[in-house]
Amino acid sequence: GAVVSQHPSRVICKSGTSVKIECRSLDFQATTMFWYRQFPKQSLMLMATSNEGSKATYEQGVEKDKFLINHASLTLSTLTVTSAHPEDSSFYICSARDAVQYSNQPQHFGDGTRLSIL
Amino acid sequence: GDSVVQTEGQVLPSEGDSLIVNCSYETTQYPSLFWYVQYPGEGPQLHLKAMKANDKGRNKGFEAMYRKETTSFHLEKDSVQESDSAVYFCALGGSTLGRLYFGRGTQLTVWP
Repeated sequence: GAVVSQHPSRVICKSGTSVKIECRSLDFQATTMFWYRQFPKQSLMLMATSNEGSKATYEQGVEKDKFLINHASLTLSTLTVTSAHPEDSSFYICSARDAVQYSNQPQHFGDGTRLSIL
Repeated sequence: GDSVVQTEGQVLPSEGDSLIVNCSYETTQYPSLFWYVQYPGEGPQLHLKAMKANDKGRNKGFEAMYRKETTSFHLEKDSVQESDSAVYFCALGGSTLGRLYFGRGTQLTVWP
C-alpha cells in the first residue's frame, strides 16, 4: 500500500518550454502533498507544500510564478515549471501523506522526475 | 527551528562489518523520526521509523533507537551486506503541516 506515482520519469526539452509533472496517490487520499528538488549528491530541498483545494505554501526563495502547483483532487497534484531554463534542470520528487493519518506519520515518495533543459 | 545532522559523506565498510550512522536532531516539538533510503534514480523509500521516545525502528537487520535524552536516532546494523549500499537520510517529522526535515544524507558503499 501507500504508493505514489510520479510522471513523467524523465523529461528533456528546450529552453523556454513549460513542463508539467504529475504526482498521484494510487491507493490512498492525500490532503497534503510535498514537492522537493534534489541536486546531485545533495539532500532533498522542500519547494512547496500542496494542499487540496487551496493555494500551495512555498518555501522561502522558491518562485511561485516559476513553479506552479495545483492540487485539484485528493489524489493528484501537479507541478508546472514555466518557461524552463537550464538552471531549472534537476531531480524533482513529490511525496504524499495519507489524509486520515496524523501529521507525524511518514510521507510516501514518488520515484522522481529527471528534468533536463537544453 | 527543527533540524537534523547526520554522518556526512561516504561510509565505506566491508561486507560483514558493523555499521553506525549517526543522526542528531533539534526540535521544540514531539517529533517522529525516520530513516529513508534512496537508490540511484529513485525517490526515497521509508526504511524504518520511530514514533515516540524509546521506540526502536527495525527493518532488514537495521535498527535505530529514538533517544530523547541525547536527541539521537543513530542507524545501526551488526553485519552489512553489499546490497545495503545506498544513500540514507535521517528525517524528523511531525511539525506543522507534517513537513519533514532531512539530514544531508550518508552514502553507504559496502565493499564485497
